Amino acid sequence: TQLLEQSPQFLSIQEGENLTVYCNSSSVFSSLQWYRQEPGEGPVLLVTVVTGGEVKKLKRLTFQFGDARKDSSLHITAAQPGDTGLYLCAGLRMNRDDKIIFGKGTRLHILP
Amino acid sequence: KAGVTQTPRYLIKTRGQQVTLSCSPISGHRSVSWYQQTPGQGLQFLFEYFSETQRNKGNFPGRFSGRQFSNSRSEMNVSTLELGDSALYLCASLGDPSTEAFFGQGTRLTVV
Repeated sequence: TQLLEQSPQFLSIQEGENLTVYCNSSSVFSSLQWYRQEPGEGPVLLVTVVTGGEVKKLKRLTFQFGDARKDSSLHITAAQPGDTGLYLCAGLRMNRDDKIIFGKGTRLHILP
Repeated sequence: KAGVTQTPRYLIKTRGQQVTLSCSPISGHRSVSWYQQTPGQGLQFLFEYFSETQRNKGNFPGRFSGRQFSNSRSEMNVSTLELGDSALYLCASLGDPSTEAFFGQGTRLTVV
């Protein structure tokens, strides 16, 4: 069972379009992170959300943490080819002395 | 501040051989985690070391082992290599508290 479910698995859209990808769980997380990974490289941390309902913006990227701290979304406005990559969500479960858990990721491809 | 350094970047081994991968975390970080990434399985947790002690372990066979030195550098070893061990091996350096992972570029291991 995947503790963090990401959807969709794959997404291919035209440059300039908007998109949203999701990260869902039945567990409560103390924090969630989003990473972007390019082929052959390690994931790069984009943002950490900590408070339920929190919204963070990073240029054209908007990250939201669900009120119940069980889910998160990433919205990209006016997607560009440079946004292409594997987007991973990850987090630490609440009250668990545990490892960081990763979702399987959404592979995003922006067509020029 | 230097990032996470993994060596080597690429490695080709034959079945039955063993391999050692190295990871130098961000200066000051005492926690190092190792992950195996394959297209089908995503990021799978191998183990985490903190101050030279294994703190968490994933569900991998005993052929996969690791250690951490007093300077926080870590190594992982895979013995009796199998074709299925071909993957990108990623090392993550974690701060304290370890809510965010900073990854190296990875070691691409190919077993032939």
